[in-house]
Amino acid sequence: KAGVTQTPRYLIKTRGQQVTLSCSPISGHRSVSWYQQTPGQGLQFLFEYFSETQRNKGNFPGRFSGRQFSNSRSEMNVSTLELGDSALYLCASSRTTGRDEQYFGPGTRLTVT
Amino acid sequence: GNSVTQMEGPVTLSEEAFLTINCTYTATGYPSLFWYVQYPGEGLQLLLKATKADDKGSNKGFEATYRKETTSFHLEKGSVQVSDSAVYFCALVGPYNQGGKLIFGQGTELSVKP
Repeated sequence: KAGVTQTPRYLIKTRGQQVTLSCSPISGHRSVSWYQQTPGQGLQFLFEYFSETQRNKGNFPGRFSGRQFSNSRSEMNVSTLELGDSALYLCASSRTTGRDEQYFGPGTRLTVT
Repeated sequence: GNSVTQMEGPVTLSEEAFLTINCTYTATGYPSLFWYVQYPGEGLQLLLKATKADDKGSNKGFEATYRKETTSFHLEKGSVQVSDSAVYFCALVGPYNQGGKLIFGQGTELSVKP
């Protein structure tokens, strides 16, 4: 069974631009969660989607948004990029929105210049 | 709110040494507990989990026991290998509709020397 895939793997953007990251979950998994990983703040939860609905949201500004499609694939968008948004963005999938284990993709490395 | 605290790294061990990485948590109710490992340049891999008090999770020689009385979930391995060098994260998912929201510790870097 294929794992979680994320595209693109690397991205360089300029301050003020916007970016869209994509995540394809493991087949049969209906929940997708997004995390931001930085050296200073560690791993922080962004949001979770299940059956196309946002179920949980972390403490991030409204510039961070996401969505999930009917095939469970998910995208996250960051608008008006800031230097501090440079991070590794990780997507994880699980079968349900309960306390199932989450399986992570390789991440998208975003650099904002 | 819920939180996880791990021992600070880096931890440097010789091959075949015994490993302990301490993890304590604060949570209301009974969270599920996890250990994840991250190798350089990669995402996180689930190492083991425990969902209720006194459960022992184990995988690839690693094990951790869910201790409700001490709110701990320490990771142990009897004999580490060079290939175990990585960053280890302790994490929890709280009860009460917190599914999907993993809360992580700060990570502990392990370096194993031959």
